[in-house]
Amino acid sequence: KQEVTQIPAALSVPEGENLVLNCSFTDSAIYNLQWFRQDPGKGLTSLLLIQSSQREQTSGRLNASLDKSSGRSTLYIAASQPGDSATYLCAVRGEGETSGSRLTFGEGTQLTVNP
Amino acid sequence: KAGVTQTPRYLIKTRGQQVTLSCSPISGHRSVSWYQQTPGQGLQFLFEYFSETQRNKGNFPGRFSGRQFSNSRSEMNVSTLELGDSALYLCASSLVGFSEQYFGPGTRLTVT
Repeated sequence: KQEVTQIPAALSVPEGENLVLNCSFTDSAIYNLQWFRQDPGKGLTSLLLIQSSQREQTSGRLNASLDKSSGRSTLYIAASQPGDSATYLCAVRGEGETSGSRLTFGEGTQLTVNP
Repeated sequence: KAGVTQTPRYLIKTRGQQVTLSCSPISGHRSVSWYQQTPGQGLQFLFEYFSETQRNKGNFPGRFSGRQFSNSRSEMNVSTLELGDSALYLCASSLVGFSEQYFGPGTRLTVT
């Protein structure tokens, strides 16, 4: 059974700092990995999708890397801003037709960027 | 292009009642998945529908059911509500099962 862990559970940083969020998964047989952000009481916003054959993806100030063999992914946020404050969730989709679109989520990292 | 929409956004029900939640996927998306989010359990997969067929099911009791219509819109139903069913219910759609998933704003269900 796939398990996803995110470290740290919470992070508070001053504005402008570069930061790294970590995600690990127990079963390396994944099809892809997706990073989301969630604002309080809201739905999930997709940030980056990395296919299992890729090593990294970039979007603006965000860069996500994937090391499938070691079961790890990191989300790098450059020059953090107060608007980046949210919970960041990592989710993996398993290989094979039986997995369908099922995502297994981590518990999330709650990020606070202080002005 | 319009995003995933969910109705209603908020719902208050009494224990023992039943409830139906609705999800309209992004136009052209054929896969719809449902998730339950609670503070204690995090995000848990309920089920997935693809071309009107349930393709995948999570570990929830039979009180939780769903369906998908020919236009890909989906509904989920919870019968005999329990206090523990209070949660944010999220719907996600994707073009096909393995592509990027897009989530709706969720339906906040409170059971009293």
